[in-house]
Amino acid sequence: DAKTTQPPSMDCAEGRAANLPCNHSTISGNEYVYWYRQIHSQGPQYIIHGLKNNETNEMASLIITEDRKSSTLILPHATLRDTAVYYCIARNYSGAGSYQLTFGKGTKLSVIP
Amino acid sequence: DGGITQSPKYLFRKEGQNVTLSCEQNLNHDAMYWYRQDPGQGLRLIYYSQIVNDFQKGDIAEGYSVSREKKESFPLTVTSAQKNPTAFYLCASSPGTGLPLGTEAFFGQGTRLTVV
Repeated sequence: DAKTTQPPSMDCAEGRAANLPCNHSTISGNEYVYWYRQIHSQGPQYIIHGLKNNETNEMASLIITEDRKSSTLILPHATLRDTAVYYCIARNYSGAGSYQLTFGKGTKLSVIP
Repeated sequence: DGGITQSPKYLFRKEGQNVTLSCEQNLNHDAMYWYRQDPGQGLRLIYYSQIVNDFQKGDIAEGYSVSREKKESFPLTVTSAQKNPTAFYLCASSPGTGLPLGTEAFFGQGTRLTVV
């Protein structure tokens, strides 16, 4: 899997949009970008994933640059419950490599009242 | 309800003893994973299994062993050879390869192992 780079921490005011960046400059053509988050002492939770196009679901939006070397996860209206560590992962979607799910240290997002 | 279950939630073991952590899923997923997490750190992959009776070492397999005799179960044994076993252990499962849709992984709630 491609190595991803994320800032170690970020703050966001409650009710504002939280924009979490991820750099994946060595991503290959068959690798998707996945985002998970982990609330303290719980298992990580899937948020969203995408390949080329921007994606949106009930939790968040994912913006992937045209060259696919970076992406941004957007939480449109952050709440205190969004305080968590957010992980960005680049993962093969086919072949043996698709089974290996590699996490980095993520970004600790703190939502401030 | 479908899900992935880890037990126990907290586990204490004496130094030098082997201990087995349980992971069960009823999601009919092909792939299962074990991760270790230390305070302030990300998840590090210990072992993963793509299919029954097959498993692969991850980045930190030394001192650990696994088995995959059934699709639903992927127990992890922390052996006495693991020098620093105190950590938070997470199990996950995913549908597997092929299609991007629905390939996200689902995690259990973790087992916190403390060596005393």
